[in-house]
Parts: sequence; C-alpha cells; structure tokens
Amino acid sequence: AQKVTQAQTEISVVEKEDVTLDCVYETRDTTYYLFWYKQPPSGELVFLIRRNSFDEQNEISGRYSWNFQKSTSSFNFTITASQVVDSAVYFCALSEANFGNEKLTFGTGTRLTIIP
Amino acid sequence: DAMVIQNPRYQVTQFGKPVTLSCSQTLNHNVMYWYQQKSSQAPKLLFHYYDKDFNNEADTPDNFQSRRPNTSFCFLDIRSPGLGDAAMYLCATVAGGLNYNEQFFGPGTRLTVL
Repeated sequence: AQKVTQAQTEISVVEKEDVTLDCVYETRDTTYYLFWYKQPPSGELVFLIRRNSFDEQNEISGRYSWNFQKSTSSFNFTITASQVVDSAVYFCALSEANFGNEKLTFGTGTRLTIIP
Repeated sequence: DAMVIQNPRYQVTQFGKPVTLSCSQTLNHNVMYWYQQKSSQAPKLLFHYYDKDFNNEADTPDNFQSRRPNTSFCFLDIRSPGLGDAAMYLCATVAGGLNYNEQFFGPGTRLTVL
C-alpha cells in the first residue's frame, strides 16, 4: 500500500525566511510519481511539480526547490525568501505509474503561514 | 481561463435531501476524478472515469454516485447526504494515456449539510 507522510502539520515563519516542507513516502512500486500541490484559502489545488522515480535530480523553479532522495524515500520542498502569498496548505502526493488510473495518494498536508 | 469548472462553489443541503454537484472541463481530458476533502484532511479519491469506464474506490459509500454524460461533464450525486458528508468536493482531470500527466483540479464545491 502507498503512504505519504507529512509530519509537519503547521509551520509559521517570518517573511523572507527560508522554509522546508518535509515529505516521506512508502511504496512497493519501482516506478512511481511524486507531486507537490499548493492549496490556497480559495480551495483549488495548484500543481507545483511532478517527479518520476527515475529522476533524482533536484529541481529549482524560482524561489522553489525540491530535493528528491530515493535512499531516504523523501521528497522535500524548500521555499527561499518566503512571501506572504506563499501562505497555503501544501500537499505532497504519490502515484503509481498505472496509466489510466493515476490515482493520487496525498499526505495530510502542511499548513504554512508566512508572517509579514 | 477556467479549465476545470465546478458548480456551485458552495452548496447547502438538508440532511437526507439528494444533491448533485457538477464539474465541467475545457481541456478535453479523458479521465475525470472526484475527491472528497474533509476539513483539515487530505483529499480522498471517491471514483474516477477513464473515458466512459467508471472506477469506484473500494471504500466509497454507496450513497455516492457519479455520471459522465460526455467528455466535458461529470456529476457527483449524493443520494441521502448525512452530516458526515459535509466537505469540499474536488473534481480533477488528466489526459490519460502513454505519457504521465498531472491532474488539473477545479476550485471545489464546499458542501454544507444542515
């Protein structure tokens, strides 16, 4: 069975600080996909990144960066120089590579509050 | 430009009164999903359609049904809502096929059961 754990329920940081959101996953599949989604107060889930299990390269997109380590089954997300607009709930998710049934297993989310 | 549209954004119903939530998409994606997200919890998949093929999750209550009359539209019917069904309901779509693609989510419908 697949499982995603986001141990940090809530995090608060002062604006401009860096913050890392942790994600640990469990799966027996050798091929799988990992995701991060942002859910602002308005409710919709906004896609941030997808990473497949064969690509362990870290990725940077503006102030966002992701660290994928298969050895520790972790896919952590760092926001550099945080801004108030980053305040949201962030979900890490896992999906097996079953085309036509890309079922997402979500973690319980981390509520991030950026204090101005 | 809205790609996954959910109507209404807020729905209030009475205990036991059937309610239908609507989802439409302009992406022409062949896969559509319905998730239930209760307060401060992760989204939980209820079921999905791959084209016209319906796939129910094993733990989805019989109280929840779905219809997909065409590619663009998908409906979630709750036959007899209980207080425990109050939640945000999220619709998502994906272009299923050979390449793995991300799911696009709608803004959700927040259901209140009185």
